[in-house]
Amino acid sequence: GQSLEQPSEVTAVEGAIVQINCTYQTSGFYGLSWYQQHDGGAPTFLSYNALDGLEETGRFSSFLSRSDSYGYLLLQELQMKDSASYFCAVRSSRDDKIIFGKGTRLHILP
Amino acid sequence: DGGITQSPKYLFRKEGQNVTLSCEQNLNHDAMYWYRQDPGQGLRLIYYSQIVNDFQKGDIAEGYSVSREKKESFPLTVTSAQKNPTAFYLCASMRGSADTQYFGPGTRLTVL
Repeated sequence: GQSLEQPSEVTAVEGAIVQINCTYQTSGFYGLSWYQQHDGGAPTFLSYNALDGLEETGRFSSFLSRSDSYGYLLLQELQMKDSASYFCAVRSSRDDKIIFGKGTRLHILP
Repeated sequence: DGGITQSPKYLFRKEGQNVTLSCEQNLNHDAMYWYRQDPGQGLRLIYYSQIVNDFQKGDIAEGYSVSREKKESFPLTVTSAQKNPTAFYLCASMRGSADTQYFGPGTRLTVL
């Protein structure tokens, strides 16, 4: 079957850098996506990696290594508003089904 | 403004009743998805549709039904066969060739 594993919670300090990892098991996929969800809200798209390597979008970067079945989201210069849940997701190349990880809750300390 | 809308925001139903959740998008996206999210959990795929008049079951389709008669609309019916329907329901759309999903604001369904 297909699955994505993420840590359930991560804690970091305001202004610091944090990395949220995602390991996956899938027979084939187009790329790895990341979404942010604040409490009570809907997920919003953050980043997408179709190829191996680093993608940078402002304070957020995402990395993918297909050979290691691994990716991560890197958040720099953390702000209190970054306190949220972060989900990795893949779209299967076999049936176009989209699978989400269970999410990582990011706690930011002042 | 282009976007995806869901209604209602909050919905209450009695046990044994069917209820339909609305999802509309004006982004001209081909694909649409329904997810269920339980407190502190990730998103689980209920149904998805890549083209009008066609849809596929996701991982937890039992007790749910959908239709895709128009490109803009993908309503979800929660039937009385769904044993534990209280949850947050999210609809999303995606352009066919991309992997970026756009989510609606969600509907919180509570069964009384």
